[in-house]
Amino acid sequence: DAGVTQSPTHLIKTRGQHVTLRCSPISGHKSVSWYQQVLGQGPQFIFQYYEKEERGRGNFPDRFSARQFPNYSSELNVNALLLGDSALYLCASSLAYGTSAQYFGPGTRLTVT
Amino acid sequence: KQEVTQIPAALSVPEGENLVLNCSFTDSAIYNLQWFRQDPGKGLTSLLLIQSSQREQTSGRLNASLDKSSGRSTLYIAASQPGDSATYLCAASGGGADGLTFGKGTHLIIQP
Repeated sequence: DAGVTQSPTHLIKTRGQHVTLRCSPISGHKSVSWYQQVLGQGPQFIFQYYEKEERGRGNFPDRFSARQFPNYSSELNVNALLLGDSALYLCASSLAYGTSAQYFGPGTRLTVT
Repeated sequence: KQEVTQIPAALSVPEGENLVLNCSFTDSAIYNLQWFRQDPGKGLTSLLLIQSSQREQTSGRLNASLDKSSGRSTLYIAASQPGDSATYLCAASGGGADGLTFGKGTHLIIQP
């Protein structure tokens, strides 16, 4: 079975632009979470979606938004990019909401110049 | 608010040694604790998940323990190998809508 997949692998954007990152969960998993990891730090929780509804949100500004589609894949959108948004963005999938083990994808490396 | 701390931040040991990585958390009301491995520039690989009702979990040369009352977890790696070199992260889950809370990780180097 395929694991969690994310696209694109790498992305370079300019300040002020908008970016969309994509994630496909493990087959059968209904929950997707997004994390931001800056260099030298542990991942920080951004969003959790389950059954296409937002179930949790971390301490991130409204420039960050996400959605989950009927096939349980997900998109993370970031508007008005700042230099500080440069990071590895990780997607994780789990069977259920809140209590199941989370399995991570390879991440998308975003560089904002 | 949950906070997770990992000690040491970095560790370098000769091949073959047994070693222990430490993880502490401030809120004992966790649902589970998960250990991950991360290779440079890569995603996270799940190693072990310990439910709050469990005391330990084992997978091959890895053993993770959990003591909720003291807010501590340890990852024991037996007979270390150069391929074990990576950053090891622990993450606590409250079982709700707040996602996982991660420590900053322990950067492990196993010298051949």
